[in-house]
Order: sequence, then structure tokens, then C-alpha cells
Amino acid sequence: KAGVTQTPRYLIKTRGQQVTLSCSPISGHRSVSWYQQTPGQGLQFLFEYFSETQRNKGNFPGRFSGRQFSNSRSEMNVSTLELGDSALYLCASSLDHPRDTEAFFGQGTRLTVV
Amino acid sequence: AQSVTQPDIHITVSEGASLELRCNYSYGATPYLFWYVQSPGQGLQLLLKYFSGDTLVQGIKGFEAEFKRSQSSFNLRKPSVHWSDAAEYFCAVQGAQKLVFGQGTRLTINP
Repeated sequence: KAGVTQTPRYLIKTRGQQVTLSCSPISGHRSVSWYQQTPGQGLQFLFEYFSETQRNKGNFPGRFSGRQFSNSRSEMNVSTLELGDSALYLCASSLDHPRDTEAFFGQGTRLTVV
Repeated sequence: AQSVTQPDIHITVSEGASLELRCNYSYGATPYLFWYVQSPGQGLQLLLKYFSGDTLVQGIKGFEAEFKRSQSSFNLRKPSVHWSDAAEYFCAVQGAQKLVFGQGTRLTINP
């Protein structure tokens, strides 16, 4: 079956702009999580959605937001981009997040802010 | 709060040599633990996971890991590495609706 699909794979934006990243989970998966990966901070949790509801949020400013649609696809938005937002953004999906399931990751979206 | 420590930022081993990557976790209850591998520019691929039961778990690509509660450790091992194992390896613990990752260990293979 198809894996987690993230689009676009690469993105270059200018400071102050906004950006929307998309994630299509594995069919049947209702939980979608987002992570930011940078060389300095490593992998950091952004937020998690399940059945269109945000269940958990990481320690990121309000410029970072997300949503999930009824088909479980998810988008994340970053407004007023800063140079420090340059990162690999990873999406993961799972059947749910009880403690006995695993997360499948997409290839990521590489965002460069100039 | 949960946390994961991978003490080794970078490890270099020769092809055919054995490998052990260290991982220490902090978690109040019985942890759910994972090892992921990431090739340059790619996403994360699950190598193995520990939920309960046998403390020695087998994964893909010939990897195994041993859960030691007394040492709060979940070290990853492979008896003989191949050049294709060069990548970055992440240990993670399952938190509330999220994974908490270590900083990663970059593995370089000498021919």
C-alpha cells in the first residue's frame, strides 16, 4: 500500500511569507503528527491530529498551525516565515496513538527560508 | 517529562565490524521504545520497536536491540555492518500522542 506522501518535497520562501505543507497519510490511518528537524535542535514535535482534532501541541510559536481534514489528510501552515524556520518538516501517520502502534514517516518537505 | 539521550554523536566503524549504538531514556512508566534510521534527505524508517515481553527485539536489516530497565537503556546492535548501513540513527520513546527523539547518532562505515 502507498506510504505517507508529503508535498512539496522542496520549497524556497522569502522571510515574511507564509507556507502550507501537505501530508497524505497511509489509507486507514487517522492520526497525523508533524515534526521539525534541524541540525541544531534535532527532531521536535509540532502537533498531532486525530479525527480532525488537535490532541497535542509542541512548544512552537503560534505562527505554526495545522489542520486535518475528514479524509485524514493534514496541512501545516507557517506564517511570517523566519530564517530559523528553515528545516526538514516530517509528517508521520499511524492508526492511532495508543501505546501499541507505530508511526510511519513521509519523505519530508525541505523548507528553505531566504 | 520523557527524554532520550544518545551519547554518541558520530561513530565510525569498519565494514564487517560489529556495531552498538547507545540509547538511554527517561520515562515514568514502562516505555515504548523505537529505533529509526534516516538516510540523507529522506524520512525515517522504523528498524525495530519494544512494547513489552522479550527484552531482546529483532528488527529489519539484521539489527537487534536490548531493553534493560535497570539501566534505562535500549541499545541497538548489529553483528556485522555493511556499507549501506551508513546513515543517521534515532532512538525514540513514545509520549502522549508524540514521539520524543534523541539527538541521533551518525554512522560512518570505513571500507
